[in-house]
Amino acid sequence: AQKITQTQPGMFVQEKEAVTLDCTYDTSDQSYGLFWYKQPSSGEMIFLIYQGSYDEQNATEGRYSLNFQKARKSANLVISASQLGDSAMYFCAMRDSGGSNYKLTFGKGTLLTVNP
Amino acid sequence: GAVVSQHPSRVICKSGTSVKIECRSLDFQATTMFWYRQFPKKSLMLMATSNEGSKATYEQGVEKDKFLINHASLTLSTLTVTSAHPEDSSFYICSARERDRYNSPLHFGNGTRLTVT
Repeated sequence: AQKITQTQPGMFVQEKEAVTLDCTYDTSDQSYGLFWYKQPSSGEMIFLIYQGSYDEQNATEGRYSLNFQKARKSANLVISASQLGDSAMYFCAMRDSGGSNYKLTFGKGTLLTVNP
Repeated sequence: GAVVSQHPSRVICKSGTSVKIECRSLDFQATTMFWYRQFPKKSLMLMATSNEGSKATYEQGVEKDKFLINHASLTLSTLTVTSAHPEDSSFYICSARERDRYNSPLHFGNGTRLTVT
């Protein structure tokens, strides 16, 4: 069974500073994908960044980067230059490579609050 | 970008009635759609996976007779909460994967907040 662990229920960061949101995973698959989603209070799920298990370089998307450490099975999200609009829930998720549906399993999430 | 439209965004119904939630992929074909349920301040829990033209696959503990899922076309999946009770009150959110794009992120609808009185 696949498992995603986010150990930080809540995080606070000052505006313009960087913040790292932790995510560890457990899988016996060799091929898998890791995703980060942002969920504002309005409820929609916004895709942020993707890292494939065979990708040698860490993924980056604008202010978002993924610190992928395969041996440690961690996929931490780094947000640089935090903005007030970054305040939201952040979910780490893993794509299941078993079967043909490739469903996502989500961690419990981290509530990020950006302070002015 | 790929857009998933979920309707309604909010619904209030009386106990014992049924509610249908629609999930449409607007600009892509979705062979697979997923239905999640989310309690306040909790994570998304997968309820079922639906593939176009076949029966949905339900996760363990999800009552298939209560949560009816239909995926009749490549752009539409529906979730019907039958004989709703207050404990069914929750945030339901659908997601879709583009056809033949297994590494692409899931595209999510904006969710439906169901309140059963």
